[in-house]
Amino acid sequence: SQTIHQWPATLVQPVGSPLSLECTVEGTSNPNLYWYRQAAGRGLQLLFYSVGIGQISSEVPQNLSASRPQDRQFILSSKKLLLSDSGFYLCAWSPEYSNQPQHFGDGTRLSIL
Amino acid sequence: DAKTTQPTSMDCAEGRAANLPCNHSTISGNEYVYWYRQIHSQGPQYIIHGLKNNETNEMASLIITEDRKSSTLILPHATLRDTAVYYCIVRAGGTSYGKLTFGQGTILTVHP
Repeated sequence: SQTIHQWPATLVQPVGSPLSLECTVEGTSNPNLYWYRQAAGRGLQLLFYSVGIGQISSEVPQNLSASRPQDRQFILSSKKLLLSDSGFYLCAWSPEYSNQPQHFGDGTRLSIL
Repeated sequence: DAKTTQPTSMDCAEGRAANLPCNHSTISGNEYVYWYRQIHSQGPQYIIHGLKNNETNEMASLIITEDRKSSTLILPHATLRDTAVYYCIVRAGGTSYGKLTFGQGTILTVHP
């Protein structure tokens, strides 16, 4: 069966520091991968998605970037964090070329001080 | 993707069926209805999805009206652990990726 892993679960970072969140998927090949953010009390907002290695699409302009160095690895990064980057970050995957649902990881709660 | 409308909150007694409605009156012919739920501080959990036929799995049933303008998620025997925010999402099929647009959802509270 397929599983998705995100780490760390929680992170506290100072303003201006760099960020790297990692997501990996097991048990499938060529998945579509997604990064979402959920601000406190708000719905989920899609940040990035990827349909293959090195292929990244951005949904909203922001202080973050994403990379997909391997088929089942998705990384969310920032060079200098802002206070507004605080939130709950979720990685998700779905099968390639299908209407099957997305499945989410447990998320990373990021607090910027 | 079509917009959905859900009640802000609902209550249900433990052991009873929870019926969560969703309106998607502008749904297109190739758009699917997906249901997710999110328990506090966890990632969304997929529940069920359908195109036009009613669907059932081990978690819930999905009833879609014949005109497809609304649907109902049914949790047949609600438990306290079903307390969560439930999201109804409409998304077009046939795309190589699937952006999910989450609204505010319905806060379901199951009471003892």
